[in-house]
Amino acid sequence: EVQLVESGGDLVQPGGSLRLSCAASGFTFSSYSMNWVRQAPGKGLESISYISGSSTTIYYADSVKGRFTISRDNAKNSLYLQMNSLRAEDTAVYYCARVRVGADYWYFDLWGRGTLVTVSS
Amino acid sequence: QSVLTQPPSVSAAPGQKVTISCSGSSSNIGNNYVSWYQQLPGTAPKLLIYETNKRPSGIPDRFSGSKSGTSATLGITGLQTGDEADYYCGTWDSSLSVVVFGGGTKLTVL
Repeated sequence: EVQLVESGGDLVQPGGSLRLSCAASGFTFSSYSMNWVRQAPGKGLESISYISGSSTTIYYADSVKGRFTISRDNAKNSLYLQMNSLRAEDTAVYYCARVRVGADYWYFDLWGRGTLVTVSS
Repeated sequence: QSVLTQPPSVSAAPGQKVTISCSGSSSNIGNNYVSWYQQLPGTAPKLLIYETNKRPSGIPDRFSGSKSGTSATLGITGLQTGDEADYYCGTWDSSLSVVVFGGGTKLTVL
């Protein structure tokens, strides 16, 4: 079955760190770019980080730049998000999503179920 | 404040048709394809429309997408109670160099 499964979400204090993982199965993981998208409680979707299949291209949203690091291990079919210096406004459900990208299109054709990160003292 | 503008809510009766608008600019919708996502209550988003008007396998033809200038529209015909969800538009913004989403539209099937 083609699927993405996130893990690693937890309650963490402000200033703390957390590492999210996303396990991919059912498709050739290394052939696809991947993305982390988050959704704060009761709010909309925010794309926060992108990584190409070979990890040669990486993007971050301004809201997380310098604090979060995206990476992947194609041998393990896994995507990661290292989150440092966490703030209350980082509280959200974090989804990993498979990306289909071209010269004039960018969309997410497969989503995981998400993992909840709560930043609070 | 989202880069793409959607109405917060729309509603219609079962069996009827509804449209959801998504307004942007030349740096996003005006020059890039649009995608739409359906998020049922308590679940992850799901791709509904890609490249403005294409449906992934398994998405019924009751769902359609279109674009004119810097605005895009999602259409849903033959509304069912199971269509009650939040709907998001998304696209690449060439000026910001990021994917941008609309703020989401809550569909209520009365």
